[in-house]
Amino acid sequence: EAQVTQNPRYLITVTGKKLTVTCSQNMNHEYMSWYRQDPGLGLRQIYYSMNVEVTDKGDVPEGYKVSRKEKRNFPLILESPSPNQTSLYFCASSLIGEKLFFGSGTQLSVL
Amino acid sequence: AQTVTQSQPEMSVQEAETVTLSCTYDTSENNYYLFWYKQPPSRQMILVIRQEAYKQQNATENRFSVNFQKAAKSFSLKISDSQLGDTAMYFCVKARSNYQLIWGAGTKLIIKP
Repeated sequence: EAQVTQNPRYLITVTGKKLTVTCSQNMNHEYMSWYRQDPGLGLRQIYYSMNVEVTDKGDVPEGYKVSRKEKRNFPLILESPSPNQTSLYFCASSLIGEKLFFGSGTQLSVL
Repeated sequence: AQTVTQSQPEMSVQEAETVTLSCTYDTSENNYYLFWYKQPPSRQMILVIRQEAYKQQNATENRFSVNFQKAAKSFSLKISDSQLGDTAMYFCVKARSNYQLIWGAGTKLIIKP
């Protein structure tokens, strides 16, 4: 089954404790991206990647890191999370210019 | 920074009515993509319709159609014969030529029985 697998679904952590949200797709998509969704603001793109070892900043990259060492994986890393990073996060992948396939989301709470 | 504006934070219509959601955007590019995505309460993101800017013909998908006005930078979504299952947040999205995606803030659509 074609899918984007994102883990964990829910995460509660404390300020400053490094965390990683994983994202993997099995559709051989070149394009992968991360978003955060906050009420009243829609989705905002954090980082995106057009291919292996190619990543670019989106609208809100501060406080986040990504890597694309393999085509299928695109983890999101928060080196020192802060409460303003409490949000709902989505990973997505696609062929360039085509429909995005989304992960099921990660609800992150930073205390 | 480029923006996508959805001027209607919330709309509600009766079942079977037609409803139009508005979207405007700014851009200096000639080639780009536009999308409407739907997010029901399950929070799953579902593609409704996709439009390539170089195509003049408006995209349609069953009960969903768009009115794409490139010069006016407008991309409205029309839902005909609305159904209860259409209740969701609707997001207008623009993909730049480098494929950075810009999302509107969303329109909450409620279909009343």
